[in-house]
Amino acid sequence: DGGITQSPKYLFRKEGQNVTLSCEQNLNHDAMYWYRQDPGQGLRLIYYSQIVNDFQKGDIAEGYSVSREKKESFPLTVTSAQKNPTAFYLCASSTVTGIGNEQFFGPGTRLTVL
Amino acid sequence: GENVEQHPSTLSVQEGDSAVIKCTYSDSASNYFPWYKQELGKRPQLIIDIRSNVGEKKDQRIAVTLNKTAKHFSLHITETQPEDSAVYFCAASGGNTPLVFGKGTRLSVIA
Repeated sequence: DGGITQSPKYLFRKEGQNVTLSCEQNLNHDAMYWYRQDPGQGLRLIYYSQIVNDFQKGDIAEGYSVSREKKESFPLTVTSAQKNPTAFYLCASSTVTGIGNEQFFGPGTRLTVL
Repeated sequence: GENVEQHPSTLSVQEGDSAVIKCTYSDSASNYFPWYKQELGKRPQLIIDIRSNVGEKKDQRIAVTLNKTAKHFSLHITETQPEDSAVYFCAASGGNTPLVFGKGTRLSVIA
């Protein structure tokens, strides 16, 4: 658990502003993921990356952007185009995507749009 | 793509009773099925997982069963305790695809 961190824990944003959520891991994992969690909706995949400098859209990528310049880091930007950004955001990592690969989650960032 | 359905959405049991949560999946290529537990305000944590070449797996009070023909898998918790109260998520993946999660089951164990 301690190998993947997110910051900040709580984030407040005014409408129309972009905001970037940080995710860092020291587990030497190749794959990293961003999920959005809303009450009763489970975990919905926003973006994922299997290797540095490459990433793929998940189910709800609209209004979000990511980068993967380093293996350890996978920041998520919530843009002003995201219509309802207030949610709990979870970052995760795994050795590789697919079979038998446990995903380890960060502690999450709770974003509130004022 | 894969679709995972999870039932029930809420479950209340008396302490000491058993709890069962069921999931179905749509993609026959899926071959990895983990279960995560998320306590209030905390991150999800893996509690047990099963692969498609195994029908059942146990770890103390927790067990998971898999029926590939019917495309469903279940979590069984025996002798429930108050600390088992949490939200439980099932998930499925296959090949080189990310996990797809169910919507979760909120389990309440009543002392």
